Amino acid sequence: AQKITQTQPGMFVQEKEAVTLDCTYDTSDQSYGLFWYKQPSSGEMIFLIYQGSYDEQNATEGRYSLNFQKARKSANLVISASQLGDSAMYFCAMREGGSNDYKLSFGAGTTVTVRA
Amino acid sequence: DGGITQSPKYLFRKEGQNVTLSCEQNLNHDAMYWYRQDPGQGLRLIYYSQIVNDFQKGDIAEGYSVSREKKESFPLTVTSAQKNPTAFYLCASSIARRSGGRSNQPQHFGDGTRLSIL
Repeated sequence: AQKITQTQPGMFVQEKEAVTLDCTYDTSDQSYGLFWYKQPSSGEMIFLIYQGSYDEQNATEGRYSLNFQKARKSANLVISASQLGDSAMYFCAMREGGSNDYKLSFGAGTTVTVRA
Repeated sequence: DGGITQSPKYLFRKEGQNVTLSCEQNLNHDAMYWYRQDPGQGLRLIYYSQIVNDFQKGDIAEGYSVSREKKESFPLTVTSAQKNPTAFYLCASSIARRSGGRSNQPQHFGDGTRLSIL
């Protein structure tokens, strides 16, 4: 079964507007962490934001915020005031707490295209 | 600056040939990982290592091999047994849990190697 599901293969957003990228996850662990990465066309993976399962507040990092709804098992990424440089593929990933290693499970990704 | 270096950036493999992808890090991380990414898809874990001289299979280890003789290096060999090797390969590292790493610490990635069949 898929541990991370990203249902939006591609999205278009107007420059300066906000965009929400969906991510749902599946785990039976009580302790886990959720990560979002950005992958520009050049290929490198850039870490954006982290949300822990026990964090009471939604994570924020600059223009990135995470809408964490634990009961619904969703961790949606919100990018505010979109810029042309935000055009990239975005991946949601999960680290489950039951393991002693720090493996990540990745979703299929969402391609974001920002229009001028 | 600290980081992860992958080489080469592009690699071509002939039928029946083994090829080795290099991954070096100077972040002093104990844990290292290899992922495969197919076009338009997410990353899948091939192998990972938490300590020198030890490594574990990931989800798609068949047709691949690794070694971890030094903390800084985690080369991946794509063997002739891997029938569909064309993909983008990403190496990553992180602080290991055994080293006091916390679960909120992300994996850091290299720039990747694109492997194609000739």
